[in-house]
Amino acid sequence: DAGITQSPRHKVTETGTPVTLRCHQTENHRYMYWYRQDPGHGLRLIHYSYGVKDTDKGEVSDGYSVSRSKTEDFLLTLESATSSQTSVYFCAISDQGYTIYFGEGSWLTVV
Amino acid sequence: DQQVKQNSPSLSVQEGRISILNCDYTNSMFDYFLWYKKYPAEGPTFLISISSIKDKNEDGRFTVFLNKSAKHLSLHIVPSQPGDSAVYFCAATSNTGNQFYFGTGTSLTVIP
Repeated sequence: DAGITQSPRHKVTETGTPVTLRCHQTENHRYMYWYRQDPGHGLRLIHYSYGVKDTDKGEVSDGYSVSRSKTEDFLLTLESATSSQTSVYFCAISDQGYTIYFGEGSWLTVV
Repeated sequence: DQQVKQNSPSLSVQEGRISILNCDYTNSMFDYFLWYKKYPAEGPTFLISISSIKDKNEDGRFTVFLNKSAKHLSLHIVPSQPGDSAVYFCAATSNTGNQFYFGTGTSLTVIP
C-alpha cells in the first residue's frame, strides 16, 4: 500500500466555517491530488500539485484552495464550507504520472 | 463534459462466470488507461492498466482490452468471485499532462 495518510478521516462541520483536510505521503512522489467522490459523478479532480508550491486547478476547484509547502504534505482548504461540499475526499499521489495511488478518504459532512 | 464514461452503473454476475465492464473515452490525447477497484469506506486501489500501444493486458483473472479506433476499453474478470463485488472505475491520462480523468463507476455484484 502506498504510504498516504489523510486527516481527519471523518468530520462534521457547520456551514460557513473553514475546513482543512491534510494529506501526508511517505513515498516522496512528485504529484499529489485531491479528488471528491459523489454519487453519479465518480471521482472528480479538485486541485493537484506537481511540486512544492506548484499547484493547479482541476475540474471542480471553486470553493477550494490548496497548499503544498513540503513534498510530503498537501492541504485542501474549504474557505467557507457549504452543504454542496459534503462529500468523500480522496488524496492521491503519483510519481511518474502513469499510475495514481489513493489514500483511504476523508468523510466530510457540512450541516 | 465527461471525458471518460461508464454507461452501466451496475452489473450482476453469477460466481464463476465472466464479468465485463465497459468504458468509453472522448479525448484522443489519452494514451494510458487504468482500472481501479473500490470497496465501501476504502480508497480506490489500482487494479490493472494498459498503454495505448497495446490492445490487451492480462494479469491473472483480469484482462483489459483497448480499442483505440472506437475509444473503448473493457475489463474482463474470469472467473468472477464474490470478493470481486465492488465499484470499478476506469481512468485515463496522457503524457502531456498529469491529470487523471475518471468515469462514474460501475458497481459489480458477484452472486454466489
